[in-house]
Amino acid sequence: GAVVSQHPSRVICKSGTSVKIECRSLDFQATTMFWYRQFPKQSLMLMATSNEGSKATYEQGVEKDKFLINHASLTLSTLTVTSAHPEDSSFYICSARKVDEQYFGPGTRLTVT
Amino acid sequence: DQQVKQNSPSLSVQEGRISILNCDYTNSMFDYFLWYKKYPAEGPTFLISISSIKDKNEDGRFTVFLNKSAKHLSLHIVPSQPGDSAVYFCAAGNYGQNFVFGPGTRLSVLP
Repeated sequence: GAVVSQHPSRVICKSGTSVKIECRSLDFQATTMFWYRQFPKQSLMLMATSNEGSKATYEQGVEKDKFLINHASLTLSTLTVTSAHPEDSSFYICSARKVDEQYFGPGTRLTVT
Repeated sequence: DQQVKQNSPSLSVQEGRISILNCDYTNSMFDYFLWYKKYPAEGPTFLISISSIKDKNEDGRFTVFLNKSAKHLSLHIVPSQPGDSAVYFCAAGNYGQNFVFGPGTRLSVLP
């Protein structure tokens, strides 16, 4: 299989601050990475598709100025939640595409107080 | 409108018996299908996949069946084990592109 890591696994921040979440493909290069959000008892909701070296493609309804995505290299993508609010509290999961499969990171639990 | 549906939000099965999880999709252009398993507070892990040129793919205790005419796929787990208790997501899409996920089915395997 392939390994995707996320850091941090859990973060608590105050309302109004920004939080950065890192997603790394550890043993393969991923030209495409995806960011998902999962609300309790709901499915994974795709937020954006990130391609290395180009701007991310955001899904409808996702504020690109609030959720900044940077795919700096073939093994690293970052999601920055800017000016976080309590409603941004959620479980954020990244995944990386390797050939014809997607491998998921372990997720990051964000709590905004 | 949901493109991928898992109409059973939960399923309980006795240990050792067969678990059958179902998934329906609406887009006939989808040509690749996957099942993921997710434990609480963890990311999904890939289980098994199938392309539209096949109607069955087997990996150990897990078998996925695809019925293209009915736009239906199912995951069979035999025999079911308590460690299989998790939420199972069905995903559908096209080779090289992103996948659409279903809402998930929570499987409970009772000892």
